[in-house]
Amino acid sequence: GESVGLHLPTLSVQEGDNSIINCAYSNSASDYFIWYKQESGKGPQFIIDIRSNMDKRQGQRVTVLLNKTVKHLSLQIAATQPGDSAVYFCAEINAGNMLTFGGGTRLMVKP
Amino acid sequence: NAGVTQTPKFQVLKTGQSMTLQCAQDMNHEYMSWYRQDPGMGLRLIHYSVGAGITDQGEVPNGYNVSRSTTEDFPLRLLSAAPSQTSVYFCASSYAPTYEQYFGPGTRLTVT
Repeated sequence: GESVGLHLPTLSVQEGDNSIINCAYSNSASDYFIWYKQESGKGPQFIIDIRSNMDKRQGQRVTVLLNKTVKHLSLQIAATQPGDSAVYFCAEINAGNMLTFGGGTRLMVKP
Repeated sequence: NAGVTQTPKFQVLKTGQSMTLQCAQDMNHEYMSWYRQDPGMGLRLIHYSVGAGITDQGEVPNGYNVSRSTTEDFPLRLLSAAPSQTSVYFCASSYAPTYEQYFGPGTRLTVT
C-alpha cells in the first residue's frame, strides 16, 4: 500500500547546530503535508504544513521543503535547542481526506 | 478555551470488557478523529467525523465504534477489549482535514 515513511529513526545534533529530518512519501496524489512534534507523554503538536503547489515554506526557525519529483519532504530546524528534543512525524492528507502518519524520527539535542 | 480534552488519562481493562473513551472540543471544529499510537510508531487513524451525525472508518477501525451526536463530542467505544488494543489513544479536531489538527493529551489503555 502507499505510505509515508522516514529515513532516520534517531538524529543526534549539537545544540546550536541545524537539524534536518527527512521523510519519503509514495502517494503522488497527496496534496497536503504536515510536520508534527511530539514530546514524551503528550499529543502531537503542529509545527508547519505545506501544500503540493509549493516547494518551500518557512516558519520561526523551521523550514519545510517539498520535492515532488522524488516524493521527498524535509524539516529543517535552525539553531537547534534542547527544547527541540522530541519525536518528529511527517504526515500527509490523501485523496480520501485521511491523515496518514510516518513512523517518526527522534531528535536528540546534546548540550 | 480548553482545546481538546480526553478522559480518562489511564485505563486498565480485562479482555472482553467494554468501555468508552471520551473526547470533547470547544473550538467549534467540524472535523474530529481518533488515532492510536503503538510504541515507537506513528499514529494510525481509527475513525473520523466531518460533522455531527457523520462518521467514517479510518485505517484501523475493527473493534471500535464511534458516534457524533454533537459538534463538541466524539466518543470512541471499545466493544470487547483485546490485548492488541493496548495503546495510547489520541483524539484530534480541526476545521477541516487540511487545516491544523489539535490533539488531546491522550489516553493510555492497557488490556490484560
